[in-house]
Amino acid sequence: QVQLVESGGGVVQPGGSLRLSCAASGFTFSSYVMHWVRQAPGKGLEWVALISYDGSNQYYEDSLKGRFTVSRDNSKNTLYLQMNSLRPEDTAVYYCARVLRSHFDSWGQGTLVTVSS
Amino acid sequence: QSALTQPPSASGSPGQSVTISCTGTSSDVGDYNYVSWYQQHPGKAPKLVIYEVNKRPSGVPDRFSGSKSGNTASLTVSGLQAEDENDYYCSSYAGTTVLFGGGTKLTVL
Repeated sequence: QVQLVESGGGVVQPGGSLRLSCAASGFTFSSYVMHWVRQAPGKGLEWVALISYDGSNQYYEDSLKGRFTVSRDNSKNTLYLQMNSLRPEDTAVYYCARVLRSHFDSWGQGTLVTVSS
Repeated sequence: QSALTQPPSASGSPGQSVTISCTGTSSDVGDYNYVSWYQQHPGKAPKLVIYEVNKRPSGVPDRFSGSKSGNTASLTVSGLQAEDENDYYCSSYAGTTVLFGGGTKLTVL
């Protein structure tokens, strides 16, 4: 069955960096566009970024451009999110999600990122 | 782009129907039939309940239905059950960007 497992979350100081990973299994990873979505504590879902099948195209939520970078390694069936210059408002659970045409049909369990001094 | 607009809360008694709205613009909800709805239990990942406005994934009860008129999409839950009490989010997918609604907390009275 489809499985997405995020890792790499933790506590980081403001201005720091963190790299999240999402290990995929149970499907042909290289055939799917993948996304990152986050959810701040007690808040709603916020789209973060997407990456094309082969990694050649990436798109970001406007306010995150320049700080976050999404990438993938299809040989390792893994999606990444490199987060730099982190701010307290980046504190959230980060989910990776698979897209099937126009909707997210599979989600990981999420990994918590806390930006605090 | 701004988030889609949902009412923060909705409620109904068991057996009743409740409709949650999701308002966007002619550039997102109104322009694409790529509206989906997600149910989220506290502390859990979202779960798809409706996609492409009115399609139901296998395993989702037919009590859940979706529709769209102009720039507003709607999720209707009929025959409310206690297990339907959760947060619901709408989403509009536009290829290179995704918008979410702010979420609606559905309470079963």
